[in-house]
Amino acid sequence: TQLLEQSPQFLSIQEGENLTVYCNSSSVFSSLQWYRQEPGEGPVLLVTVVTGGEVKKLKRLTFQFGDARKDSSLHITAAQPGDTGLYLCAGVMDSNYQLIWGAGTKLIIKP
Amino acid sequence: EPEVTQTPSHQVTQMGQEVILRCVPISNHLYFYWYRQILGQKVEFLVSFYNNEISEKSEIFDDQFSVERPDGSNFTLKIRSTKLEDSAMYFCASSATSGRVAGELFFGEGSRLTVL
Repeated sequence: TQLLEQSPQFLSIQEGENLTVYCNSSSVFSSLQWYRQEPGEGPVLLVTVVTGGEVKKLKRLTFQFGDARKDSSLHITAAQPGDTGLYLCAGVMDSNYQLIWGAGTKLIIKP
Repeated sequence: EPEVTQTPSHQVTQMGQEVILRCVPISNHLYFYWYRQILGQKVEFLVSFYNNEISEKSEIFDDQFSVERPDGSNFTLKIRSTKLEDSAMYFCASSATSGRVAGELFFGEGSRLTVL
């Protein structure tokens, strides 16, 4: 059972376009994180969201935690080639504090 | 800037051989993890370690796997008898905190294991 579903699995767009990546579950999470992984490297934390409805911004990246704490989204404005990578969400399950990982969204930004 | 270091960066081994992957977590961190990632696929949790014992393990982490913190700095993953399907990138991670609010996991650069 995939507890954290990410969509889309793969996205290739032109530089300058906007995009949104989703992380959905039927489970409630006490906190949720987004990581970015570049080829040949380990994931690097971008943000942690904790409160339902929370919105955090990191330059051109906007992260939102759903009101019910079951889902999250990552929106990138005016994507750049440097945004290329694998974006992973990971959530701490409210029921058992286990950290669950999504399968990732592979993002390619073409110049 | 403190970082998690892993050795070797790449190991090629024959099926059935034992492999030890080594990690040096960030020095003041208390929680240690091993993950694996088959090429192009998702990150899979193997095991977490806290207070000198395993706190959680996945179904992937069967009797062929073991972890150890032999001294104050190293954290090792041993695969007793490697199988072809063990070929993957193995990531070590550490964090200062854990619990309801996920602590930031700091990942090493990974050890690529190729089983022939």
